[in-house]
Amino acid sequence: IAGITQAPTSQILAAGRRMTLRCTQDMRHNAMYWYRQDLGLGLRLIHYSNTAGTTGKGEVPDGYSVSRANTDDFPLTLASAVPSQTSVYFCASSAGTSGANEQFFGPGTRLTVL
Amino acid sequence: GQNIDQPTEMTATEGAIVQINCTYQTSGFNGLFWYQQHAGEAPTFLSYNVLDGLEEKGRFSSFLSRSKGYSYLLLKELQMKDSASYLCAVNSDYKLSFGAGTTVTVRA
Repeated sequence: IAGITQAPTSQILAAGRRMTLRCTQDMRHNAMYWYRQDLGLGLRLIHYSNTAGTTGKGEVPDGYSVSRANTDDFPLTLASAVPSQTSVYFCASSAGTSGANEQFFGPGTRLTVL
Repeated sequence: GQNIDQPTEMTATEGAIVQINCTYQTSGFNGLFWYQQHAGEAPTFLSYNVLDGLEEKGRFSSFLSRSKGYSYLLLKELQMKDSASYLCAVNSDYKLSFGAGTTVTVRA
């Protein structure tokens, strides 16, 4: 299909609500990543997974959780959203786990927390 | 964390050459990537350097000096469609750390 997809495209959320951002890839890539992108700060790694069943924390993991039940899906959950989590969220995947492989990015989810 | 610096903005004329510099300080260096990101879109891969030297790919070239913690992306024969942000990303401890990006505006 499309390589890597994300849903929703955009969302406005009340503070304190729970939200799950979805990410699916059809490239059978081992590694998957979640980043947030904020103006002037660039992309920052939230969580990653090197293979199904394993996850790790990135640079800014607080307030977020992930799971990797299978190779294709890597959802990101905000348990209780706060305004500072307003951002553009990108999911990415790569074939290898050494970091030396090109990462393919999804189209992003624009999240606004009020 | 990693310290990755690149200029915020650059402007150039169509047909010209622009060089975007990136300096970094990191431990466990395993290579450096350049990505292109058009406004409102996802980043897309441009180049990867792990050894010192120049990698050329069409109109785009990327250079790395590991001893100096320095890389540059060279864009030749600029076209209007090259107006975008260019992201420098360092592979350290098997994860990518990104610079804030350089926005390049190409003027006619």
